[in-house]
Amino acid sequence: QLQLQESGPGLVTPSETLSLTCNVSGGSISSDDYYWGWVRQPPGRGLEWIGVIYYTGSTYYNPSLKSRVTISVETSKERFSLELTSVTAADTAMYYCARHGRHLGTVAFDIWGQGTMVSVSS
Amino acid sequence: EIVLTQSPGTLSVSPGERATLSCRASQSVNSVYLAWYQQKPGQAPRLLISGASSRATGIPDRFSGSGSGTDFTLTISRLEPEDFAEYYCQQYGSIPWTFGQGTKVEIQ
Repeated sequence: QLQLQESGPGLVTPSETLSLTCNVSGGSISSDDYYWGWVRQPPGRGLEWIGVIYYTGSTYYNPSLKSRVTISVETSKERFSLELTSVTAADTAMYYCARHGRHLGTVAFDIWGQGTMVSVSS
Repeated sequence: EIVLTQSPGTLSVSPGERATLSCRASQSVNSVYLAWYQQKPGQAPRLLISGASSRATGIPDRFSGSGSGTDFTLTISRLEPEDFAEYYCQQYGSIPWTFGQGTKVEIQ
């Protein structure tokens, strides 16, 4: 059974870079059928899509974050990562990694990590 | 950007009753790209419906999705105690993928 697990610092200093990793277990990240993505949720608020990556490295980002976001993949280590630069308090959120279907008519975000809380504060 | 507006913000329902949640899009969404999620406090979202009406694996048949164009609906036919939660719609046909702001289903 495929599982996702986020890891990374829980506290980031303003103006610095937020870096998170999502480890994939119980399945292969090198699948034709899925994207691997990040979604965040500020405390008490709704969900925001950050972006997704295909195992070949092609990416789609939310334009509102595009200038600050990089999602990368390491297929040999079955993991993908998120970097968000120049963070502010507005980036404080629960960050989830998740798997998303890639083909027409397939599933949306069907498998999620448990999430990792990241606070931006000095 | 396609804005998804969910209504109502909060729905107070008794167990065993029917709940109808709405998701309205600012532009037409191809129904194959509309999903619904359930989220309970302290938990990650759980996929309920993809393609507007296809239940995800393991989702009970009391959950059903319908709609097309700009108007989509999630119906819970008979609310069970475990169904009281927040529900989100999502479109993934147009970048940026967007979520609605959520509907909270609470016990009346």
